[in-house]
Order: sequence, then C-alpha cells, then structure tokens
Amino acid sequence: DGGITQSPKYLFRKEGQNVTLSCEQNLNHDAMYWYRQDPGQGLRLIYYSQIVNDFQKGDIAEGYSVSREKKESFPLTVTSAQKNPTAFYLCASTTPGQGGQPQHFGDGTRLSIL
Amino acid sequence: AQSVTQLDSQVPVFEEAPVELRCNYSSSVSVYLFWYVQYPNQGLQLLLKYLSGSTLVESINGFEAEFNKSQTSFHLRKPSVHISDTAEYFCAVSDSGGYQKVTFGIGTKLQVIP
Repeated sequence: DGGITQSPKYLFRKEGQNVTLSCEQNLNHDAMYWYRQDPGQGLRLIYYSQIVNDFQKGDIAEGYSVSREKKESFPLTVTSAQKNPTAFYLCASTTPGQGGQPQHFGDGTRLSIL
Repeated sequence: AQSVTQLDSQVPVFEEAPVELRCNYSSSVSVYLFWYVQYPNQGLQLLLKYLSGSTLVESINGFEAEFNKSQTSFHLRKPSVHISDTAEYFCAVSDSGGYQKVTFGIGTKLQVIP
C-alpha cells in the first residue's frame, strides 16, 4: 500500500546537537510538507516543497533545515539553533495544482530533549 | 490571509449521544474545507472534505459536515457517537491556488464517555 513513512518514531536530542527526521513517500506526490504540532496549537508549517530541488520556508522555519534531492524523500534537520524543539513532527504530501487535494500524513516523530 | 477557528478545545459526550464540533473560517478567496481526525500518536487522516456542489458532505463512518457560506462555517456532526470516535479533530481550509496553502485549526478533542 502507498503511504508516508516517518522515522524514527521517537527521537531524543542532546544540547547542541543536530538531529534529522526522515520522511519517505511512495505516493508519487510532488508536494511535501513538514509540520510541527504542539498541544493546543494545532499544526504549524515549517517547510514545504512543491518539486525536487526546491523548497520554501513556512511559518516557523527558524532553527530547521530541509533538502529535497529525490521526489520520494524530504528529510528535516532540527538544528541546535532551535531552542525549543520538543514537539510532535508530522510529514505530509499531496498532489498540488489540482485544487482541493487532501494531504496525506505520516505517523509522526516525537522529539524530546535529553 | 485565511484562518480557522475551532471554538471548543474539548468536547465530552456520552456514548450514543449526538455531537457537533464547530469550525469557522475566514478567507478572501474561494476555499476548500476539510475535517481530519487524529488518534493518539498517529498522523492525521482525512475524514471528509468540501470542494463544491452539495453543501452537505458525509464520511463513511457516520460523520457529516455542512458548508455554510453566509456564516463561514463547516461544523462537523454525528447523530450517535461511539467509544471509538474518541480522538482529536482538526478543521482545515485550503485556498484554490497552485501551492494550496493549508491552514489548520487548533483541534477539538472529542472524549466519548461510556
């Protein structure tokens, strides 16, 4: 079955450390997204990519970086500059440009500080 | 700019009772509307969507939502809830542009009481 795979499910970060969250999809979707979810705040967009080798900052991009070298993959790096990284991170994908296409989500990575 | 307001952060309801989860949106352009459901430690799953046509949309598990343009609302209803409906529900609005920026509400936790 097609879907989005996020790994790892749980991740711990030490002070000053960069960590990378993986997101892989086999839905042949062009657009991919990263969201951060905090209790009571809904989903906030970190980065998005509409096509390979191109990505754009979302609403809360500071302290994060991404790459999009392959259509299937959109890894997110949480850098040491992100001072409050503890959250649930969700990756999503969709087919852009067709109006009203829902986003498909992975099962998330929960990041905590050691 | 578009925004979504979910008026209730938590809704407790007894099993087999009806429920309504409220959602209001604002946007300066035509929009598409969605309801997603999230079970603990999982990603979001599409519950139903309104793109055009009939203002009443239904899901396969008994939920329905009605698009009301004059009141800019998209409330979610179910006539009789089950324990398995306990989850967090997110209302979302998407514009009709090529990028399809999606704005999510902060979520409503539905707690079904046996």
